[in-house]
Amino acid sequence: AQSVTQLGSHVSVSEGALVLLRCNYSSSVPPYLFWYVQYPNQGLQLLLKYTSAATLVKGINGFEAEFKKSETSFHLTKPSAHMSDAAEYFCAVSDRYGNKLVFGAGTILRVKS
Amino acid sequence: DAGVTQSPTHLIKTRGQQVTLRCSPKSGHDTVSWYQQALGQGPQFIFQYYEEEERQRGNFPDRFSGHQFPNYSSELNVNALLLGDSALYLCASSLGATSTDTQYFGPGTRLTVL
Repeated sequence: AQSVTQLGSHVSVSEGALVLLRCNYSSSVPPYLFWYVQYPNQGLQLLLKYTSAATLVKGINGFEAEFKKSETSFHLTKPSAHMSDAAEYFCAVSDRYGNKLVFGAGTILRVKS
Repeated sequence: DAGVTQSPTHLIKTRGQQVTLRCSPKSGHDTVSWYQQALGQGPQFIFQYYEEEERQRGNFPDRFSGHQFPNYSSELNVNALLLGDSALYLCASSLGATSTDTQYFGPGTRLTVL
């Protein structure tokens, strides 16, 4: 069975600081990995996805993530946080046989001015 | 181009009642998946419909059922509501159901069971 662990339910950074949101996965088959963002009272928006091409994946709004098989990790980063980045972020995994997503519990990002 | 739409946005029911939630997929998409997001948790997969048939199902009881229509829109039905069914219900659509097909999410329906 596949699973995702997001380390840190809440992360707080200052505006302009580095954003690092951690995600570790467990999968018995090579995974596909995703990061979604959820703003209050809204659905999920795809930030980026890894589907076995380049291990460094660039997404929207300046976010990127690196797939590290040896560490079973897919951490999300952004060099400089903006106030508009404040939201909840979800890491998800799917296997290669379908696109059902298994989500982590989420990390709420707070950006301080 | 309209994205995924869901109705209603909010719903209040009492225990034991039945509820139907609706989803219209993004234009051109033929696959619809439903997820339940309880407060403070990540979304959990309920089931997926493709070509009007249930293709995959998560770990949810038979009280949760669904349907997909020829125009690819979908309904989620929940019978004998429990307090624990209170959640945000998210619909996602994709073109196809293979692993590389990205899912696009709607804004959700907030269900409150009293």
